[in-house]
Amino acid sequence: KNQVEQSPQSLIILEGKNCTLQCNYTVSPFSNLRWYKQDTGRGPVSLTIMTFSENTKSNGRYTATLDADTKQSSLHITASQLSDSASYICVVNTDKLIFGTGTRLQVFP
Amino acid sequence: DGGITQSPKYLFRKEGQNVTLSCEQNLNHDAMYWYRQDPGQGLRLIYYSQIVNDFQKGDIAEGYSVSREKKESFPLTVTSAQKNPTAFYLCASKRSKTNEKLFFGSGTQLSVL
Repeated sequence: KNQVEQSPQSLIILEGKNCTLQCNYTVSPFSNLRWYKQDTGRGPVSLTIMTFSENTKSNGRYTATLDADTKQSSLHITASQLSDSASYICVVNTDKLIFGTGTRLQVFP
Repeated sequence: DGGITQSPKYLFRKEGQNVTLSCEQNLNHDAMYWYRQDPGQGLRLIYYSQIVNDFQKGDIAEGYSVSREKKESFPLTVTSAQKNPTAFYLCASKRSKTNEKLFFGSGTQLSVL
């Protein structure tokens, strides 16, 4: 079983709608949790980073939350755009980086 | 333009052949990494290097080899010993081993003929 699980595996939404991606982790302790965006055929790009003591972090239309008690993080995308179509990867940093399996988001017009 | 450059974008390997994937960075980063990405799986670490002329095995090093002769270059060789090489390979770097933000290249898709 992966130490970092993401859900859903894939998601389809209409342009302009909001969505929330989930990341559940079992590793503990950790120094920070980061969300990456990966366009098809490209390398991941960092969106947000949170330490274990932070609850929320925003980057434009992207807002990440972290609940250290339940070991859950979420990435909320507001007013989705076609360019948001990508895979979103949750990464937990312990003594090494542990990557989630990702959520594939498709935004349709 | 600063960044990480991977080449080629697409690569085909014949059975029994070794192939080398290139990774060059001009970010002056000390640490460099190679990851393998398969559908439905998280990125898995193949090899990493924290300083020139030194490198360590990651979680799935069997069938791969690397070198780090220059700070800016970290090529990955997929040897014939790697029986299932088809995957998307990502090179990444970061300023130091304690700075955890990774910068990724655009990846190389390796397929077996």
